[in-house]
Amino acid sequence: DQQVKQNSPSLSVQEGRISILNCDYTNSMFDYFLWYKKYPAEGPTFLISISSIKDKNEDGRFTVFLNKSAKHLSLHIVPSQPGDSAVYFCAASSNFNFGNEKLTFGTGTRLTIIP
Amino acid sequence: NAGVTQTPKFQVLKTGQSMTLQCAQDMNHNSMYWYRQDPGMGLRLIYYSASEGTTDKGEVPNGYNVSRLNKREFSLRLESAAPSQTSVYFCASENKSSYNSPLHFGNGTRLTVT
Repeated sequence: DQQVKQNSPSLSVQEGRISILNCDYTNSMFDYFLWYKKYPAEGPTFLISISSIKDKNEDGRFTVFLNKSAKHLSLHIVPSQPGDSAVYFCAASSNFNFGNEKLTFGTGTRLTIIP
Repeated sequence: NAGVTQTPKFQVLKTGQSMTLQCAQDMNHNSMYWYRQDPGMGLRLIYYSASEGTTDKGEVPNGYNVSRLNKREFSLRLESAAPSQTSVYFCASENKSSYNSPLHFGNGTRLTVT
């Protein structure tokens, strides 16, 4: 039972345009969401997060939007740069847990930025 | 500052062989985790250690054992490797002193079991 779903395995975007990565979840207890970025032969690195008390969080070129009613979040990258080419994992957890042992990851989306 | 260091980077085992994957962090983090990443499956938690001296099962613990040797080191052991354990293994750590602190990952161990 995949509680966090990233339905697009891959996405290609022209450099300078907006990249939109999507994530859906099924567990209504999730109230904290994160995006991790992973380059080949490296471990994932934390990118941005959002709590369910917000519907938007912005950090430079990266913005995460949360639609609780639709159980959907998205990551927007504007403008997209070649260095953004990576696999992006969506992850979700419940704030009842003081730690990451209940963190659930999606399957990832491979983003390719075309120069 | 090395962060989370995993050894080895690559390993090929025959079915039935054993091995230990090593992980060490130099960030004085309390909690450490072992994940496996498989195509189409995302990252799945194998075992975790909330603090020195404690370990708990994650989502996919069968076929694995762990040891939290001290605060820095958390090893993952395969006693009798199976082809289903072919995967990329990631160790991670976090500072559990605050809610939802992000995980810091090592660069992974790519394991092939033939």
